[in-house]
Amino acid sequence: SAVISQKPSRDICQRGTSLTIQCQVDSQVTMMFWYRQQPGQSLTLIATANQGSEATYESGFVIDKFPISRPNLTFSTLTVSNMSPEDSSIYLCSVERGQGARGYGYTFGSGTRLTVV
Amino acid sequence: KQEVTQIPAALSVPEGENLVLNCSFTDSAIYNLQWFRQDPGKGLTSLLLIQSSQREQTSGRLNASLDKSSGRSTLYIAASQPGDSATYLCAVTGGGNKLTFGTGTQLKVEL
Repeated sequence: SAVISQKPSRDICQRGTSLTIQCQVDSQVTMMFWYRQQPGQSLTLIATANQGSEATYESGFVIDKFPISRPNLTFSTLTVSNMSPEDSSIYLCSVERGQGARGYGYTFGSGTRLTVV
Repeated sequence: KQEVTQIPAALSVPEGENLVLNCSFTDSAIYNLQWFRQDPGKGLTSLLLIQSSQREQTSGRLNASLDKSSGRSTLYIAASQPGDSATYLCAVTGGGNKLTFGTGTQLKVEL
């Protein structure tokens, strides 16, 4: 299955600033997924990123706050904009396993632990 | 809307003990169920994937079962070790290929 490199692994940021998180996959994938995990909570899907089209955002998440880029089939970025302490979370990217065939589960990046002060 | 619940929320056991983690889901129309491990502040490591047509999967000391009709899965860990200490998450893939996560079980294996 695909291997995902995610960076940075952690960061401490000032409120009002922005942070861009990168995910690089070692094979071409159609869709990449971005998740947020707030402290003590499970994972919540932010958006699905397809190459060549706008990302699809889940309810409660907007493009102005979490802009996503997907310039090619192996790379995506998620930006957390105008950060506040409430944005302190672990952010993870994910891809489907099985080279696009359904039903093979998902692989996740190593996560970005963000603390906003 | 799919809801996934994991019981217990936290578990502490002595080294060497066999243990069972539980996962339940409300909508049985799933493609598969996946168990993950998460170390503190880190990403997710996939442990086992069970297709909807399967009843169980095994990998080393881990065995996962699936009863789709009753909306339940268990993860059995044999001969637990301190290195097994982590949070264990189950997740189901349902309609729209959406992944829904459980609330997690935080496991601590003590020497």
